[in-house]
Amino acid sequence: GAVVSQHPSRVICKSGTSVKIECRSLDFQATTMFWYRQFPKQSLMLMATSNEGSKATYEQGVEKDKFLINHASLTLSTLTVTSAHPEDSSFYICSASSKNIQYFGAGTRLSVL
Amino acid sequence: AQRVTQPEKLLSVFKGAPVELKCNYSYSGSPELFWYVQYSRQRLQLLLRHISRESIKGFTADLNKGETSFHLKKPFAQEEDSAMYYCALKERGDSGGSNYKLTFGKGTLLTVNP
Repeated sequence: GAVVSQHPSRVICKSGTSVKIECRSLDFQATTMFWYRQFPKQSLMLMATSNEGSKATYEQGVEKDKFLINHASLTLSTLTVTSAHPEDSSFYICSASSKNIQYFGAGTRLSVL
Repeated sequence: AQRVTQPEKLLSVFKGAPVELKCNYSYSGSPELFWYVQYSRQRLQLLLRHISRESIKGFTADLNKGETSFHLKKPFAQEEDSAMYYCALKERGDSGGSNYKLTFGKGTLLTVNP
C-alpha cells in the first residue's frame, strides 16, 4: 500500500520560534496533500488542502500566515507553524491522496513551551 | 452544521458478540463514505469505502441513502478489533473545482472485552 512519512514525530519548542513539519509520499506521487489537527480525544480537523505547484486552500478559521504550507514537489509538502505559542500545541497529521484514497502519516506531536 | 455524526463516543462489547458502529451523514450531493480505523499507537488507516462494497476484517458497511446512514457492522467481534473508528464523508472542497476533502466524525472508541 501507499506509504506516507511524516517528520518529526515529536517536537518541543520555545514560544515564538517556528517549527517545520514534513510530509512525504514514499512510493507514489501525490498532487494533493492534506493537513489536519487533532486535539486530545477529538476528531481530525482539516486545516488546509495542499496542491502541488499552487497555493494551499485553507479551511475557515485557519490563519494562513500562522500555518504556512508549501507543496513544491509531488512527494513533499511542508507545514510551518510560525511564531508558535502554547495554544498551537497539538497533534498535526498529514495525508496524501492516491487514486482518491487518503493515506495518513503517523502524525507530529508539537509541544510549545 | 455537522456533516458526519457518530453518536457513540464509546462502545464496549464482549468477544464474539455482534458490533455496530453508527454513522449518519448530511450531504446534498451523491455521498462517498469511508470508515477509517486507528489502532493503539498506530496511524489512521482506511478500513473500507462504500463504493467498493467489500468486507475487510469481517467488517461491512452499507450506505442507506433513505436513512442517510453508513453504519459499520461485524457479526462476531474480536479483541484485536479494539480501536478508534472514524466515519468520513468525501465532499467537494470550498474552493470548488476538482478539490475534494474528507470530513470526519468525532470517532467511536470500540473496546472488545475477552
